[in-house]
Amino acid sequence: QKEVEQDPGPLSVPEGAIVSLNCTYSNSAFQYFMWYRQYSRKGPELLMYTYSSGNKEDGRFTAQVDKSSKYISLFIRDSQPSDSATYLCAMTPFSGYNKLIFGAGTRLAVHP
Amino acid sequence: EAGVVQSPRYKIIEKKQPVAFWCNPISGHNTLYWYRQNLGQGPELLIRYENEEAVDDSQLPKDRFSAERLKGVDSTLKIQPAELGDSAVYLCASSGREAFFGQGTRLTVV
Repeated sequence: QKEVEQDPGPLSVPEGAIVSLNCTYSNSAFQYFMWYRQYSRKGPELLMYTYSSGNKEDGRFTAQVDKSSKYISLFIRDSQPSDSATYLCAMTPFSGYNKLIFGAGTRLAVHP
Repeated sequence: EAGVVQSPRYKIIEKKQPVAFWCNPISGHNTLYWYRQNLGQGPELLIRYENEEAVDDSQLPKDRFSAERLKGVDSTLKIQPAELGDSAVYLCASSGREAFFGQGTRLTVV
């Protein structure tokens, strides 16, 4: 069993929909949680960085962490075609970007 | 400001041949990472440098992979000899307050 599980999708939604992306994990030592967006043939780019449990909002993006359930989520409001990409969760026990463990990524397609 | 620059973008080689990838990190970033991303998977760390020192190379297959970071700036990742299973995207990243990834080198071993 992988340390981080993420449904690969693909997930197809109409423009304007609310998108929910999720990851589960097994290592209770993870304290720092990230979401990356990766466009085709590009490197991942950091969207959200959160510590421990709770919510964090940035524009149309909201990240949630529930450590008791070992479950993290990324919500995208008012989704746009430009949001079409693969979304990767990542986590680590350490501050910074060391020992990041990535999920497999969820492919999202937002159609007009 | 330029981001993390990697070259080449694409490389096709025959198995058993050597191959090298180059990375120029963001200026001032002391930490540099090499990741491998297989198709349909998330990146997996191969090696992490703090300045010139490789501080985490536990995931690097040392029988065929090697890396160096001269003068704590640019880095090179080498595979010799390449195997079919090495086909993947090799990503370089660097971090200061935030980590940034390069576009990667897509390696195909035939």
